[in-house]
Amino acid sequence: GQNIDQPTEMTATEGAIVQINCTYQTSGFNGLFWYQQHAGEAPTFLSYNVLDGLEEKGRFSSFLSRSKGYSYLLLKELQMKDSASYLCAVENFNKFYFGSGTKLNVKP
Amino acid sequence: EAGVAQSPRYKIIEKRQSVAFWCNPISGHATLYWYQQILGQGPKLLIQFQNNGVVDDSQLPKDRFSAERLKGVDSTLKIQPAKLEDSAVYLCASSRTSGSQDTQYFGPGTRLTVL
Repeated sequence: GQNIDQPTEMTATEGAIVQINCTYQTSGFNGLFWYQQHAGEAPTFLSYNVLDGLEEKGRFSSFLSRSKGYSYLLLKELQMKDSASYLCAVENFNKFYFGSGTKLNVKP
Repeated sequence: EAGVAQSPRYKIIEKRQSVAFWCNPISGHATLYWYQQILGQGPKLLIQFQNNGVVDDSQLPKDRFSAERLKGVDSTLKIQPAKLEDSAVYLCASSRTSGSQDTQYFGPGTRLTVL
């Protein structure tokens, strides 16, 4: 089976940095995606990692370690609009498996 | 470029009734996905099409769910008859191909409530 784990909920302060972790155990691996989903809206693409290391995109960065089955999403200079759920998804032979998502609450 | 379109946005039905959802992917996208997202969970793939052929429907409850993409463009997902546990958001997504590294773009979803 495919197992993808994320913390259920996190709280952080505006202007701070937060790291959202994702661990996975899957029968295969072709890449890992991070999506942002605001309440009542569709997921939107944030980042993609296929090789080990850090991918940086503005305030958001994503890290992957394939040997450890581990990824994290790093959000810097948090803004109130970053309050949302963050979904980790593993691609395995063109099939996508999503974690349950981490709900991030940003407070003033 | 226009995004993925879905309709209706909301639907309320009673158990044992039938319901259908429609999805129009981004123009030129060959791959289309239907996901079920139950409140508090991540999306679960129901069915994946490559053009008008089914690539994966292993998690589709085929006794009550059906989907088609006859002309390789838009798609419909049907539930007949609906059960209480089918209450969820049904998301449609598309990508250019089904190859690795190809980002999926999601539609706004249809929120289904079964009473």
